[in-house]
Amino acid sequence: AQSVAQPEDQVNVAEGNPLTVKCTYSVSGNPYLFWYVQYPNRGLQFLLKYITGDNLVKGSYGFEAEFNKSQTSFHLKKPSALVSDSALYFCAVRAGYSSASKIIFGSGTRLSIRP
Amino acid sequence: DSGVTQTPKHLITATGQRVTLRCSPRSGDLSVYWYQQSLDQGLQFLIQYYNGEERAKGNILERFSAQQFPDLHSELNLSSLELGDSALYFCASSVGRQGPNSPLHFGNGTRLTVT
Repeated sequence: AQSVAQPEDQVNVAEGNPLTVKCTYSVSGNPYLFWYVQYPNRGLQFLLKYITGDNLVKGSYGFEAEFNKSQTSFHLKKPSALVSDSALYFCAVRAGYSSASKIIFGSGTRLSIRP
Repeated sequence: DSGVTQTPKHLITATGQRVTLRCSPRSGDLSVYWYQQSLDQGLQFLIQYYNGEERAKGNILERFSAQQFPDLHSELNLSSLELGDSALYFCASSVGRQGPNSPLHFGNGTRLTVT
């Protein structure tokens, strides 16, 4: 069965420093991976998705994600954190090979950027 | 603005009651997904519809039901409500025809409080 794990409940980073939010996945076949961000009292916003063949995927708000097939990871990164990046981040995987398959979300990582 | 509309924003009701949550997907999107987000848990997948037909089912209780109408809007019905049903309920939509890489677009959710 397809699954996704976010090993850290919370990540704390100083403003201006690089940030990484970790995600590992378990799928059979090609992975369809996504990152979402949730601000307080809002729905989830799509940040980026894995594109087959691209080990570094660029997304919204300066975020990027590094895909590593051997480590089955899809970590979210940003070179220089902003206080406004503080939010809840979810990694997700599609549990099948069609757009009709459900998407399973990780447990979420709370990112806190201190000024 | 994701283009996905959920009503109502807030709902307060008593145990044993029944409520209906409504979702209008983005224009052109055929797939609708429902998720439950509780305080202690991440996003739990409930159910998915594609062009009026049920496509996938998650951990949805028998007291909960949903449907997608010909105009593609969807409703989630929750009955015999219990205190533990208090949560944020999100609707998301996607085009469905773009393949497994098509992301979900989320509404802002309905916050249900059962007293």
